[in-house]
Amino acid sequence: AIQMTQSPSSLSASVGDRVTITCRASQGIRNDLGWYQQKPGKPPKLLIYGSSNLQSGVPSRFSGSGSDTDFTLTISSLQPEDFATYFCLQDYNYPPTFGPGTKVDIK
Amino acid sequence: EVQLVESGGVVVQPGGSLRLSCAASGFTFDDYTMHWVRQAPGKGLEWVSLISWDSDTTYYGDSVKGRFTISRDNSKNSLYLQMNSLRTEDTALYYCAKDMATSGYFDYWGQGTLVTVSS
Repeated sequence: AIQMTQSPSSLSASVGDRVTITCRASQGIRNDLGWYQQKPGKPPKLLIYGSSNLQSGVPSRFSGSGSDTDFTLTISSLQPEDFATYFCLQDYNYPPTFGPGTKVDIK
Repeated sequence: EVQLVESGGVVVQPGGSLRLSCAASGFTFDDYTMHWVRQAPGKGLEWVSLISWDSDTTYYGDSVKGRFTISRDNSKNSLYLQMNSLRTEDTALYYCAKDMATSGYFDYWGQGTLVTVSS
């Protein structure tokens, strides 16, 4: 199975900060990468699919980029509702595999 | 509005069996592949299984292969997961998730049902 890693595992940031989270695949996955946001006690929410496509209803401050093995999720100006854990997911082949998550909390 | 409602999670002893259900509404259920994804308490996400719209295709994660069986009843807009030979490491919140159709991502999730395997 393709292994996904994320960095950092956690970060502290302030409202208004630009935040970047990185995801790396153990082998090339083209652009078959999605990003999810999860808040405590809630299911994950799809933010980005196909590396850079914004899911309907997701604010434009979220963006994704990358291909092959290296991917980035950027939040251009962190808002109070963005404090959560973020997971990447590879959809290149089965089984789909998630990264371990990056927890974004308040500085 | 798309809704997915899981049920069936309980406390069960190791070696036991359980059947989870997911009731779907708000979309044409038999147009979509469906998935089960689980999350152990305080841990990350693990994809468990998928079933195609017509039940012709199923896939399983290595950790559940041979023990779990996914099925669906399109006439009832329902998805199921039969879980046998349960292990303590199967303890998790089990989510039902809808496939995007244009790709394999999961665009809608239920709230999950908790399975606890403990003696």
